Order: sequence, then C-alpha cells, then structure tokens
Amino acid sequence: DGGITQSPKYLFRKEGQNVTLSCEQNLNHDAMYWYRQDPGQGLRLIYYSQIVNDFQKGDIAEGYSVSREKKESFPLTVTSAQKNPTAFYLCASSLLGAGTGELFFGEGSRLTVL
Amino acid sequence: AQSVTQLGSHVSVSEGALVLLRCNYSSSVPPYLFWYVQYPNQGLQLLLKYTSAATLVKGINGFEAEFKKSETSFHLTKPSAHMSDAAEYFCAVSEGFGGGADGLTFGKGTHLIIQP
Repeated sequence: DGGITQSPKYLFRKEGQNVTLSCEQNLNHDAMYWYRQDPGQGLRLIYYSQIVNDFQKGDIAEGYSVSREKKESFPLTVTSAQKNPTAFYLCASSLLGAGTGELFFGEGSRLTVL
Repeated sequence: AQSVTQLGSHVSVSEGALVLLRCNYSSSVPPYLFWYVQYPNQGLQLLLKYTSAATLVKGINGFEAEFKKSETSFHLTKPSAHMSDAAEYFCAVSEGFGGGADGLTFGKGTHLIIQP
C-alpha cells in the first residue's frame, strides 16, 4: 500500500542533543512537508520541499534543519537550538501541478525532551 | 494570503444528535477546501474536500460539508453523532487548482466530544 512512514513513533531526548525524525513516502509525490503540532495551536509549517535538493523555510524553521537527497525521503533534524522541541511532528506529501493541494499525512512522531 | 477560522475549540454533543463544526475562510483566489480528522497520537485523515464541483460534498463516516461562497464558509455536519466520532477536526484551505507549493493553511482545530 502506498503511504507515508514516519519513525520513530515516540522519541525521548536530553536537552542539548540533536535528533532526526525520518519520513519516507512511496506515493511518488513531488512535495513534502514537516508540521509541528502543539495543543490548541493547530499545525504550523516548519519546512517544505518541492523538488530534490531544494527546500524552503516555513513559519517556524528556527532550530530545525532538513534535507531532500531523494524524492522519497525528507528527514527533519531537531537541533539543540530549538528552545522548546517537545511536540508532535507530522510529515506530509502532495502532488503539485494538477493536484488539488490535498496533503497525505504520516502517523506522526512524538518528541519529548527530558 | 489565506486564513481559516474554526469557531469553537471544543464542541460537545450527545450521541445521536446533530454535529455542526464551523469553518470560515479567506482567500484571494477561488479556494479548494478540506476537512481532516485526527484521532489521538495519529496523523490526519482526509474526511472530504471541495474542489469547485458540487457545493455539497459528502465524505467518509457520514460527514458532509457545504461550500457557501457568499458566507465564505465550509461547515462540517453529520446528522447523528456516534461515540467513534470523538476526535480533533481541522479545516484547511489551498490556493485552488494546482495547489499552493507551501501546503495547506489550517485552522486551529475543533475537539469534538460525544456525550453518551
């Protein structure tokens, strides 16, 4: 079945450590996205990528980094510079061009900083 | 710029009662509109979408929504609530055909509570 796979589902980190969240899709979608979700704040865009080897900052990119070396993969690194990293992180993908903008989501990764 | 406003961060209804979740949008171009549902610790699942065809859109699990351009609204309804409908619901807007490269703009979500 086609879809988006995020791992790990749960992750604990000590302050000062970098962590990388994995996102893989087999939908052959052009664009991929990372959102952060906090209670009562909806979804906030961190980074997005329309094409391999290119990506753009979203609304809350500070303290995060990404790469897009393959069409299928868009990992997110939460760096030690992110002051409040505890959150639920969602990866999504979409078709560009003739698509409607509909996003397809993974199951999410919950990061807790101890 | 687009925006989405969901009225009511929490909505509580009795099992079997009508569900009405409100969504208003603003967009400078004819929009495409979406409703997503999220269960605890899971990703978002598409309920339904409006893409400029019929203004009354039917989705999964008995939900439907009506696009009203004059009211810039896209409210979600279900005639009879079920306990399994308890979840978080998000309304979202895109820039229409082709979508926006920076994804969808989401409302802050409405938590639906079903009373037995």
